[in-house]
Amino acid sequence: QQPVQSPQAVILREGEDAVINCSSSKALYSVHWYRQKHGEAPVFLMILLKGGEQKGHEKISASFNEKKQQSSLYLTASQLSYSGTYFCGTELGGATNKLIFGTGTLLAVQP
Amino acid sequence: DGGITQSPKYLFRKEGQNVTLSCEQNLNHDAMYWYRQDPGQGLRLIYYSQIVNDFQKGDIAEGYSVSREKKESFPLTVTSAQKNPTAFYLCASSRTDTGNQPQHFGDGTRLSIL
Repeated sequence: QQPVQSPQAVILREGEDAVINCSSSKALYSVHWYRQKHGEAPVFLMILLKGGEQKGHEKISASFNEKKQQSSLYLTASQLSYSGTYFCGTELGGATNKLIFGTGTLLAVQP
Repeated sequence: DGGITQSPKYLFRKEGQNVTLSCEQNLNHDAMYWYRQDPGQGLRLIYYSQIVNDFQKGDIAEGYSVSREKKESFPLTVTSAQKNPTAFYLCASSRTDTGNQPQHFGDGTRLSIL
């Protein structure tokens, strides 16, 4: 039931791009993306609704493929501040606000 | 400024002891959640509440208890029945007027066993 994230970890140089995937074995109502710095609270990035909607947040965007039950997070021209662990949270039923989080993807951006 | 306050930041528990983690929010959110995070792991839901005086078990509720007597407060008690309580505990809240609401997190409480 827990969504699977890939890759588990990725190391980038500043300015490089990355893609983080989140796959579920169950039909999804929505996908939430969060970033957590070490020892801090997760910070909300964006929500994707079923329908293949793509959203953007500065140079971070995401897509949601309802048929594949998968969401992808795209980080372009990465900055040092993008470092952290990225979690997807999947919502299985409508209007429950109950999320099941993936195990996370550790992203390290180096100068 | 509105937000979620968790206290204490660090907590130590002796064997056989119950401890209570505090979570207070002034965002006027109806829903509140407790998560447990182990090193290198994702967030696992312990309990959640969508309205005052009502709460539901999450995926790992055994050894934990909660109460929701006020909209602003959702304390979590880690009981002696929880044999492996060492973890980072996160409290969150969200609106419920429509679905697809983001969750807002507190800064967490790190619990360790003495």
